[in-house]
Amino acid sequence: AQRVTQPEKLLSVFKGAPVELKCNYSYSGSPELFWYVQYSRQRLQLLLRHISRESIKGFTADLNKGETSFHLKKPFAQEEDSAMYYCALSGNTGFQKLVFGTGTRLLVSP
Amino acid sequence: EPEVTQTPSHQVTQMGQEVILRCVPISNHLYFYWYRQILGQKVEFLVSFYNNEISEKSEIFDDQFSVERPDGSNFTLKIRSTKLEDSAMYFCASSDISSTDTQYFGPGTRLTVL
Repeated sequence: AQRVTQPEKLLSVFKGAPVELKCNYSYSGSPELFWYVQYSRQRLQLLLRHISRESIKGFTADLNKGETSFHLKKPFAQEEDSAMYYCALSGNTGFQKLVFGTGTRLLVSP
Repeated sequence: EPEVTQTPSHQVTQMGQEVILRCVPISNHLYFYWYRQILGQKVEFLVSFYNNEISEKSEIFDDQFSVERPDGSNFTLKIRSTKLEDSAMYFCASSDISSTDTQYFGPGTRLTVL
């Protein structure tokens, strides 16, 4: 079964604190993993893909196949990072549906 | 930067009525998707569409649902006879042939069935 689990509904931190949003997945095969972000009143937008191994807005995520995890991290949170974050997976052959987690709301306070 | 657009932003309908949700994908994209998100729940895949055919559909996408690309720009989702449980946010997404794993989402249509 394909499943994405985000255990935290809400993560509240102070500005400048490190952030880790957890994501675990279940998939038979080699999935592609993504983080999508939804800022207030805006659309879902892609933040990171595991295959590109890039850092966007200071966020990074490493795929750990042993632990089937793809946690999103940022060393120093900013207020503008406050948003809803969704972890998602798809098959690795392109043009595949996305399976989403339930999302984690990140609230960064001044 | 080109974006996926969706209309209307909010649709209110009576149970049993037909609704059509409209999407304009990014112009050079060839792969199209519909997802929905019931309030407080996760975003769920409904259907994917390529080359004027459904590529994959979920269990949610039953006979009450249909999709169509009536012209070169629009991509529609029709719900034939709406039920209360169809109330949700419906998202359209598209991707292009060079980066099929990156889906670009529209702002969504909030459907309220009374």
